[in-house]
Amino acid sequence: NAGVTQTPKFQVLKTGQSMTLQCAQDMNHEYMSWYRQDPGMGLRLIHYSVGAGITDQGEVPNGYNVSRSTTEDFPLRLLSAAPSQTSVYFCASGQRNTDTQYFGPGTRLTVL
Amino acid sequence: AQKVTQAQTEISVVEKEDVTLDCVYETRDTTYYLFWYKQPPSGELVFLIRRNSFDEQNEISGRYSWNFQKSTSSFNFTITASQVVDSAVYFCALSEFQMDSNYQLIWGAGTKLIIKP
Repeated sequence: NAGVTQTPKFQVLKTGQSMTLQCAQDMNHEYMSWYRQDPGMGLRLIHYSVGAGITDQGEVPNGYNVSRSTTEDFPLRLLSAAPSQTSVYFCASGQRNTDTQYFGPGTRLTVL
Repeated sequence: AQKVTQAQTEISVVEKEDVTLDCVYETRDTTYYLFWYKQPPSGELVFLIRRNSFDEQNEISGRYSWNFQKSTSSFNFTITASQVVDSAVYFCALSEFQMDSNYQLIWGAGTKLIIKP
């Protein structure tokens, strides 16, 4: 049971490049979410999903897309990276209609 | 609006001292949950505790204890006899149930705890 996994751990992009951050969980959790963590701030919700085929926006969705084709996977796409997207990204999962979320190890993204 | 305030940006104590991390929250709901997470220097987020709004009992887990007071909207975290391994950033978070969207966490800015040997 690996829990929540994220790849890559580190990534450097140039402005305008696109990429996908991968997130997978093997706990059969219905709820998955993406957060970003910036220095001196708590985590902010980007997008979330309450089940396969269902996604919705969080607090800071601009510049990011998500899809949820399976229960296990919830990738986050940056269509055209900007320096303002330099951050640490965390994926989390939990049972639907419960409150405790479990986090992946994070991806540190730098956009030059 | 929901809000979580951790007024202590950084705390530094000597090992074996007791230390309390403050958390004050704002919410309009009567049903909500409060959390503490630990983020050690390695960067992962570790779940420590969840407390629901109907349970004001204090909780103790080893050297960790939590004091939930609805009257002051506070959920403080105390580490007794601190150890160097307790050095981390600690986050307090609030969640309110939203229909069809699951619980969404609102995070405080975190308190960096430094335990000196």
